[in-house]
Amino acid sequence: NAGVTQTPKFQVLKTGQSMTLQCAQDMNHEYMSWYRQDPGMGLRLIHYSVGAGITDQGEVPNGYNVSRSTTEDFPLRLLSAAPSQTSVYFCASKQGALGDTQYFGPGTRLTVL
Amino acid sequence: AQKVTQAQTEISVVEKEDVTLDCVYETRDTTYYLFWYKQPPSGELVFLIRRNSFDEQNEISGRYSWNFQKSTSSFNFTITASQVVDSAVYFCALSGPGTASKLTFGTGTRLQVTL
Repeated sequence: NAGVTQTPKFQVLKTGQSMTLQCAQDMNHEYMSWYRQDPGMGLRLIHYSVGAGITDQGEVPNGYNVSRSTTEDFPLRLLSAAPSQTSVYFCASKQGALGDTQYFGPGTRLTVL
Repeated sequence: AQKVTQAQTEISVVEKEDVTLDCVYETRDTTYYLFWYKQPPSGELVFLIRRNSFDEQNEISGRYSWNFQKSTSSFNFTITASQVVDSAVYFCALSGPGTASKLTFGTGTRLQVTL
């Protein structure tokens, strides 16, 4: 099992550019989520999905879109990158039962100039 | 609303010292789950432990131990005989009862263990 994988590992964008951060898991987990990590702020939830075809917003969704067409994949799209989106992005997944542990991918470090 | 407070921003200890990382949480749920994650310098998030609100038993795993006290809403983490490899940022997190309940993270405690 590869677990949760994320690509790319590093990315530099210019303001206004768009891109997609990829996330995949091979554990057949129903629940997937995206977090961003900023210095001194811990991790904050951007979007999450409880299953294929179902997505919802977290606490900091503005500027990001997601879709969940398969159980395995949960891409995060930045529509028009802004310097405020410079961060480390983590994808996570869990089985979906009550209190299940979320397992995190290795992260993507994004810089927006 | 849920909240997790890790008041210690940074801790420095010398190898072999014991160290306790504090975690205080707030929630209105009667069923909830507490977690600790480790983030080493390489950046990944490593799951350490999960505890549900019904189980106040303390847990020990090698040099790691966790003290869960509902009366004080705390879930503290102790490393005994710390080692340089324990140097990392440690996050405490809380989730509620629903299957879609999000993880609320504290701001983390950076532990530096030196020789």
